[in-house]
Amino acid sequence: GESVGLHLPTLSVQEGDNSIINCAYSNSASDYFIWYKQESGKGPQFIIDIRSNMDKRQGQRVTVLLNKTVKHLSLQIAATQPGDSAVYFCAEPSRGSYIPTFGRGTSLIVHP
Amino acid sequence: DADVTQTPRNRITKTGKRIMLECSQTKGHDRMYWYRQDPGLGLRLIYYSFDVKDINKGEISDGYSVSRQAQAKFSLSLESAIPNQTALYFCATSDLPTSGGGVDTQYFGPGTRLTVL
Repeated sequence: GESVGLHLPTLSVQEGDNSIINCAYSNSASDYFIWYKQESGKGPQFIIDIRSNMDKRQGQRVTVLLNKTVKHLSLQIAATQPGDSAVYFCAEPSRGSYIPTFGRGTSLIVHP
Repeated sequence: DADVTQTPRNRITKTGKRIMLECSQTKGHDRMYWYRQDPGLGLRLIYYSFDVKDINKGEISDGYSVSRQAQAKFSLSLESAIPNQTALYFCATSDLPTSGGGVDTQYFGPGTRLTVL
C-alpha cells in the first residue's frame, strides 16, 4: 500500500465559510466516485456520489465537481457548520472491481 | 450506523494472543468487508465476502483470517496478534451495485479499536 506520513491534510475554516476538499484519483477509467464523511469515533458514512458522465452533482449543502481531464474531484460544503468537522474520503472503484479504493482523507476543522 | 454492529468496541491484548472481532448486520446485504484504518492512512481492505460461501483476500490479509457464519455475520480473527496490528478495524456491508453504479456503496460499523501490547 501507499506509504504516507502520519498526518492527514487538514483544512481549517470558520463557521459559515464555504469549504472545498480536494481529491486526486488514479484510474482514468473510473466511472463512479463516492465521498464519505467520518466523524470522530464513528465509521465512514456516505455523503454523495457522482458518475463519470457528470461534471457536477449537488446535494443538500454539498456539491461534488469532477474534472476528468486532470483526474480531480472536489467536495464543496456551503455555509460550513461545526457538525461538518470530520475526515472526508473520496473513493473510486478498484481496477476490475466494484470494491472502492479510498483516498487518505482530509480532516476538516470548523471553528465556531 | 446501528444497522452494522461491531463487538468489541475496544480491546487491549498482548502479543501472541488470538483475537476475534465480530460484525453483525441487519441490512440484509450479501456483501461484507473488513477494513483496517491507521492514523494518516485511508481504509485498507483485509478480507471481503460476497456471500456466505465466498471469501476473498484483500490488500493486507497476511496475519488475519475471516469466517462468514451467516449472511448477517462476518468475523475477523488475528491468530497471533502483533503490535503492528494495533489499529482501528471497520466492518462494512454493501448491496449489489445499482444499475449504472460502478462502485459499491458501503455502510460501515462504528469500528473496533484494537491495541496489541
